[in-house]
Amino acid sequence: DAGVIQSPRHEVTEMGQEVTLRCKPISGHNSLFWYRQTMMRGLELLIYFNNNVPIDDSGMPEDRFSAKMPNASFSTLKIQPSEPRDSAVYFCASSLGSEGNYGYTFGSGTRLTVV
Amino acid sequence: DAKTTQPNSMESNEEEPVHLPCNHSTISGTDYIHWYRQLPSQGPEYVIHGLTSNVNNRMASLAIAEDRKSSTLILHRATLRDAAVYYCILRTDSWGKLQFGAGTQVVVTP
Repeated sequence: DAGVIQSPRHEVTEMGQEVTLRCKPISGHNSLFWYRQTMMRGLELLIYFNNNVPIDDSGMPEDRFSAKMPNASFSTLKIQPSEPRDSAVYFCASSLGSEGNYGYTFGSGTRLTVV
Repeated sequence: DAKTTQPNSMESNEEEPVHLPCNHSTISGTDYIHWYRQLPSQGPEYVIHGLTSNVNNRMASLAIAEDRKSSTLILHRATLRDAAVYYCILRTDSWGKLQFGAGTQVVVTP
């Protein structure tokens, strides 16, 4: 089992550019979560999907952020246009189910730097 | 969502047990207690979870109070690799999402 795979591991971009982060969940997991981590705010849940359908996107900071899950094995988080305050580590996680009895598996994260 | 309260930091000597407390006085009957840890420069890692009964796995033990308003994560023999931030989180039974707090920074000294 390769675990949750995120790409790229590091991304440096200029302010105003579009950034796309990618995530491949564990095969068979039907719930997927995007988190953002900064020193100031800790780990924040941005959005989560169940069976490829967005369930709760209340954590998405603003309209510049969008997430999609076109199929069970792939999800993207897009920021357009990017701003320096978006600099953070973005984690993707997946879970076997949406019930409380299932744990999450996290990816290694994408460190985004917007200059 | 029900909240949890953890100490900011704890220190332990290597090869000694570590008991990490967590208070969750507003827990509901369907909330599962989850523990994760995050090592430096890594993503969070699942440690253990439980509902009412104590749980053991290869990483740790979880002791849950009878009234479920508190729990304790037990690392039986701390190693330097156990130095991490440990998060205690409640996950509701349906459409449960993990909301992370500040966690407890565990420092292990040789």
